[in-house]
Amino acid sequence: GENVEQHPSTLSVQEGDSAVIKCTYSDSASNYFPWYKQELGKRPQLIIDIRSNVGEKKDQRIAVTLNKTAKHFSLHITETQPEDSAVYFCAASYGGTSYGKLTFGQGTILTVHP
Amino acid sequence: GAGVSQTPSNKVTEKGKYVELRCDPISGHTALYWYRQSLGQGPEFLIYFQGTGAADDSGLPNDRFFAVRPEGSVSTLKIQRTERGDSAVYLCASSPSWPSGRNEQYFGPGTRLTVT
Repeated sequence: GENVEQHPSTLSVQEGDSAVIKCTYSDSASNYFPWYKQELGKRPQLIIDIRSNVGEKKDQRIAVTLNKTAKHFSLHITETQPEDSAVYFCAASYGGTSYGKLTFGQGTILTVHP
Repeated sequence: GAGVSQTPSNKVTEKGKYVELRCDPISGHTALYWYRQSLGQGPEFLIYFQGTGAADDSGLPNDRFFAVRPEGSVSTLKIQRTERGDSAVYLCASSPSWPSGRNEQYFGPGTRLTVT
């Protein structure tokens, strides 16, 4: 089955800096890669996703890049703010017929210092 | 509109007891997923429903775990003879799926299960 590795496990940045989180996946059939933000005691929130027919996607301060050949994808957050502090999870799935069981990475604890 | 809801938010039970956890998906979402999240870990897949049928239950850890979705909307996860190792947050997610083909998943707030 699919295996997703995520790093770093913790990331500390100063407000205004950029943050990058990287994930690798094992199953070349995976074609959908979402990122979730989870604050303490809250539900995972979908913040951005990318499909395998696209190499990069951007939404304001957040961007995701995908390298299918190397089987890795990354989350980039620019101009970080204290409210960006949370645990971020990457995930991968094969959505061949609208079905997308997600396999998650281990999570990255992002701390943005004011 | 309303998001995914789950009840109860917290459940404390004694070892060996039976529990039911409920999930109300986003209206119109045909796909429903259950995940389990242990402290400091990412969610782990348990079971997937497309409509009323369990299309993939490969993540259920053993036969003490069972889930139903009789009318293709609300789902109930049932755990028999609970063990301390079952303690975790149980998350439900729903997805538009058919006929749109969109498979992004939206999560509920979870039920924190504690087995004493």
